[in-house]
Formats: sequence, C-alpha cells, structure tokens
Amino acid sequence: DIVMTQSPDSLAVSLGERATINCKSSQSVLYSSNSKSYLIWYQQKPGHPPKMLINRASTRESGVPDRFSGSGSGTNFTLTISSLQAEDVALYYCQQYYDIPYTFGQGTKVEIK
Amino acid sequence: EVQLVQSGAEVKKPGESLKISCKTSGYIFTNYWIGWVRQMPGKGLEWMGLIYPGDSDTRYSPSFQGQVTISVDKSISTAYLQWSSLRASDSAMYYCAKQDLRAWGQGTLVTVSS
Repeated sequence: DIVMTQSPDSLAVSLGERATINCKSSQSVLYSSNSKSYLIWYQQKPGHPPKMLINRASTRESGVPDRFSGSGSGTNFTLTISSLQAEDVALYYCQQYYDIPYTFGQGTKVEIK
Repeated sequence: EVQLVQSGAEVKKPGESLKISCKTSGYIFTNYWIGWVRQMPGKGLEWMGLIYPGDSDTRYSPSFQGQVTISVDKSISTAYLQWSSLRASDSAMYYCAKQDLRAWGQGTLVTVSS
C-alpha cells in the first residue's frame, strides 16, 4: 500500500495568515501518461463527509475559494491556505488514488491562533 | 444532480449481522466505481474498498479483506456494505463515495455495544 504522511498533525494560525500543510507519499503517484499526480486534498468539518478542495494535486474544484491552492508532484505535496478565515477551521486530508487501495494521510487539524 | 443517500444510524450487539446501503441517483450507476470509507470516532479516514457496479468487480483494502462484504443491486442503483458478525471495534461512521470522489454520502453511524 502507498503510505501517505501529513505534517504537521495540527497547526494554529492567526486570521488572515498563511497555513501550509504537507503530504508525502511513500511512492510516486504521478501518472507518466498524462503527467498528473493522482492526489486529492479534502476538507472535513464535524458531522460532515469530506469535501474535495483540490484534485490532481493542483486543480481547485469549482466553488472552492482561491485562497486554497495545491502544489507538488510525484511524492511531495502542499496545501496552502493563503489567508486563513474562521470558516477554514477543519480537518484536512490528502489522499492518493493512483493505486488501489486508495489511501489517506492521517489528517491535519487547522485552528485559529 | 448526483446524490448518494445512505441508510440511517444503526445500534447493534456484538455478533449480530448488518447491511448498510448507499442509494445513488443522478448518474449512470453501472459506469462508475463506488467506494466505502470508515472513520472511527475522533480518528481519520480509512479506505475500505470499492466496487464496479457494471460487473461487481470488487477490490478490498488488505485491512478490510474478509472483514466486510461490498455488493450492489443494479436494479435500484444501490451499493451495500455488510458484516456477518459485528465487533465493538466496528463502531464508526461509514461513508460511500462515487468514483470521482466528489460526491459522498452523508454517512451512516454504526454503534456496536453489548
């Protein structure tokens, strides 16, 4: 199985400041045929299912605020919230769908400092 | 509009069997894989497995192989997750998700307690 490791486990950021979450995969999730990394970033709030924010490592989903951005390729990925808002308090997960079983990172809790 | 609607919360005793459902609409059910995800209380997301409704090809995560059964009923566009003998450690929220991972069910809370 591909192991996904996120860092940090939690972070507290002041309103309006930048939040950065990292995700590392134990092997590459880059599809050579299309040069896309099969990596998703989700946001999960209590009592709700995960919501896809970023697909293929860097493609923002429709309706997702542009303060959310994803970067990286191969085995190293980053989710950045450029200016943290109160409504961004949540758990964030990365997931690879390059290989079955699809696997998730352990999650990062984002809070307001 | 794509929708995945899961069955309601369940409270069971250890050793009992259970089958929960995920009813889909808004797309061609047989053309897309459906996956199941477990979230234990206060914990992260775990991928359990997925099924292709077109031919019932099923792939399980090694951690869940032999512990659960994933199935579908094409006639009613519904996927299922079932246990033959529940354990307390099966207590969790369970989500279904469509292949593109954009559409998720609302979750089914399973509580197993004597």
